Amino acid sequence: GAGVSQSPRYKVAKRGQDVALRCDPISGHVSLFWYQQALGQGPEFLTYFQNEAQLDKSGLPSDRFFAERPEGSVSTLKIQRTQQEDSAVYLCASSTRSYGYTFGSGTRLTVV
Amino acid sequence: AQSVTQLDSQVPVFEEAPVELRCNYSSSVSVYLFWYVQYPNQGLQLLLKYLSGSTLVKGINGFEAEFNKSQTSFHLRKPSVHISDTAEYFCAVSDTGGSNYKLTFGKGTLLTVNP
Repeated sequence: GAGVSQSPRYKVAKRGQDVALRCDPISGHVSLFWYQQALGQGPEFLTYFQNEAQLDKSGLPSDRFFAERPEGSVSTLKIQRTQQEDSAVYLCASSTRSYGYTFGSGTRLTVV
Repeated sequence: AQSVTQLDSQVPVFEEAPVELRCNYSSSVSVYLFWYVQYPNQGLQLLLKYLSGSTLVKGINGFEAEFNKSQTSFHLRKPSVHISDTAEYFCAVSDTGGSNYKLTFGKGTLLTVNP
């Protein structure tokens, strides 16, 4: 597609529920990134894929967070046993190079 | 590790006035610098970036920024703003080495342009 597509746009989860957030990058973009943006804050790096390989997951806040990109295209960020502190906008970005990403519109997750 | 400080959380200006959004960074290594804009309920859009060369960088929508290594600053400027420039602006930095894919963002500056 023309841009990075994320779904759903909004997700409300009960505390303890598992959620899965999807990212469709721009076709042909090798690099894919996930960022977490808390209310009133700048985005914070979560993880980086080059094709299907997860090269950096240093930003994942706990072992409840898991990301995959099995075929080097679509990526899914999964959060298990959601907590209130997980409430944020989750941004996906893709790029043909390491800098100058194209961001998606994000998924706003609210844990109640 | 790097850090970014955006000195103003909110900047109100009148239409057609000039504006400067301030950004300072801290890093022990060479850096790349970026400005992104975020409109309500949208993702971030790259305004401009400094990778190397001329320290004055021109971007989209009439914005420009100047890299000042001695002052570790990368302030964003526009000579005359429009109502449509109302948005959140984020300054970001990455290193120039093997982790150059990883952006560290400031907390953002909300620019509000009033008629």
